[in-house]
Amino acid sequence: KNEVEQSPQNLTAQEGEFITINCSYSVGISALHWLQQHPGGGIVSLFMLSSGKKKHGRLIATINIQEKHSSLHITASHPRDSAVYICAVRSGNTDKLIFGTGTRLQVFP
Amino acid sequence: GAGVSQSPRYKVAKRGQDVALRCDPISGHVSLFWYQQALGQGPEFLTYFQNEAQLDKSGLPSDRFFAERPEGSVSTLKIQRTQQEDSAVYLCASSFIPGLRTEQFFGPGTRLTVL
Repeated sequence: KNEVEQSPQNLTAQEGEFITINCSYSVGISALHWLQQHPGGGIVSLFMLSSGKKKHGRLIATINIQEKHSSLHITASHPRDSAVYICAVRSGNTDKLIFGTGTRLQVFP
Repeated sequence: GAGVSQSPRYKVAKRGQDVALRCDPISGHVSLFWYQQALGQGPEFLTYFQNEAQLDKSGLPSDRFFAERPEGSVSTLKIQRTQQEDSAVYLCASSFIPGLRTEQFFGPGTRLTVL
């Protein structure tokens, strides 16, 4: 079993829909990251969380430490949101990231 | 520079050939990470530098993989006698302050294809 699991693996949506991507982890963490990866490989950091909730524009990330679960929400989705969204955790005192396998999102006009 | 850069962006190697992949982190960033991303998978940790010191190389898959950061800035990942299973995107990331849960900034990656 992977230490970081994401669901769903693939997600399609119509423009304007509300999107939720889930991440569960099985290790103790010091922080959780949500990352966006576009075709061609570039990875952009969206959020870094250790508790509670963060919001940036149409993106919202939440984390429940007790349940070892995080969600990424996209409100009013747009075709430009199409990308792979990756959850990654920092475990214990290390700085290295443990990644989920990613969720491929396609938003159609 | 404005961000983390990597070169080359694409590399095709014949099986058995040695390759060297370069990472230029953001100036002043202390921590540097190498990750390997196989097709359709999430990245996996290879190795970590704090300045010139390689503090963790637990993710290197074999002794054919070697990384260095001799002056604490530019890093090179070298793969000797490449095999087909080495085909992947190799990502470099850097962060300013180690151990304080700071953001990692990723380079565009080098896509290695071993024929």
